[in-house]
Amino acid sequence: QVHLLQSGAEMKKPGASVKVSCKASGYTFTGYNIHWIRQAPRQGLEWMGRINPDSRGTNYAQKFQGRVTMTTDTSITTAYMELSRLTSDDTAVYFCAREDEWLSLDSWAQGTLVTVSS
Amino acid sequence: ETVLTQSPATLSVSPGQRATLSCRASQSFSSHFAWYQQKPGQAPRLLIYDTSKRATGIPARFSGSGSGTDFTLTISSLEPEDFAVYYCQQRDNWPPIYTFGQGTKLEIK
Repeated sequence: QVHLLQSGAEMKKPGASVKVSCKASGYTFTGYNIHWIRQAPRQGLEWMGRINPDSRGTNYAQKFQGRVTMTTDTSITTAYMELSRLTSDDTAVYFCAREDEWLSLDSWAQGTLVTVSS
Repeated sequence: ETVLTQSPATLSVSPGQRATLSCRASQSFSSHFAWYQQKPGQAPRLLIYDTSKRATGIPARFSGSGSGTDFTLTISSLEPEDFAVYYCQQRDNWPPIYTFGQGTKLEIK
């Protein structure tokens, strides 16, 4: 069955970068886009962008343009999301999710807590 | 960029009763509308895709409807496990930007 597993919690200082990984299994990795969504404490879901693991083409939310980079390594069926120039406002749980044939997000990983604090 | 507005922010309903959650889009679009359920400390779970289709394993008491700018999630008879936060989501055609509503918290009355 489809399974997405993210890397562990991170603590970063303001101005630093963070890179979160998302290991996929149970399906053909190159056949489905991977999305990244974040959720600040006690807040709603915020879409950050997506990547096509086959073409490596990306689409980013305007808010994160220039600060986020999404990549994949098809040899190990893993997607990555790197966010730079962190501030305390970036403290959130970051999720990766798979986009299905109907363009909805049918499988989600467990999430990675990123805490930004001096 | 489309804005999705969910109402109400909080809905108090008794178990066994019907719950109706609404989502209004700032502009009309044709499809690719979905609903998700999120429980505390968990990742969201897909409930409804393509406006009205239930995702795998989702009970028949969950149904989705709507068109244009107004969409609805209905839970016909609430079970204790249904009390959670629900998000609507849509996708612009191009560029493929995804947007979530701010969520509706469904709580036990």
